Amino acid sequence: AQTVTQSQPEMSVQEAETVTLSCTYDTSESDYYLFWYKQPPSRQMILVIRQEAYKQQNATENRFSVNFQKAAKSFSLKISDSQLGDAAMYFCAYRSSGGSNYKLTFGKGTLLTVNP
Amino acid sequence: NAGVTQTPKFRILKIGQSMTLQCTQDMNHNYMYWYRQDPGMGLKLIYYSVGAGITDKGEVPNGYNVSRSTTEDFPLRLELAAPSQTSVYFCASSYFSDPTDTQYFGPGTRLTVL
Repeated sequence: AQTVTQSQPEMSVQEAETVTLSCTYDTSESDYYLFWYKQPPSRQMILVIRQEAYKQQNATENRFSVNFQKAAKSFSLKISDSQLGDAAMYFCAYRSSGGSNYKLTFGKGTLLTVNP
Repeated sequence: NAGVTQTPKFRILKIGQSMTLQCTQDMNHNYMYWYRQDPGMGLKLIYYSVGAGITDKGEVPNGYNVSRSTTEDFPLRLELAAPSQTSVYFCASSYFSDPTDTQYFGPGTRLTVL
């Protein structure tokens, strides 16, 4: 079974600075998808960024980018120019690409605080 | 589009009571999911559906039932509520032709069983 580990329960960053959230996963599969979701105090789960494992290029979405290291099974999220609205719980998630496995496997989350 | 909507937002149940959590999506998504999120944890899959009339168990299905009579609706039924079912429940949906199967979530229902 796949597992997702987020080793940082909490992180903090100053407004306008850069922060990196860590995520590692364990899988025997070669093709899969990885996601970062943001959960603000409203509890809504919001997709931040996604990465297809067969793509070498790291995904980027505006101020959010990932460092995907397939061999190391690492998928970190970098937030540049942090804003107060980035404060939230961030979840890393894994999904198999094939068969009938529709399950997203989530890590336990990292609580990000942004200081003004 | 409203996306994925869930009702109610909050609910308190007594042990042994039953209730249905409602979920509706207006994105014409084929796939729908129910997750629960316990304090300090990530989400765990309860049930999922790949289309109307088709449902299957996820990781933690015990104590729950689902049905999918339409593409839009995917209600979750709790029978004989127990304190262990105190959690936040999220419904999600995704589109079958999206190769990444990106799931879009509703706002959640906070359920307390006393």
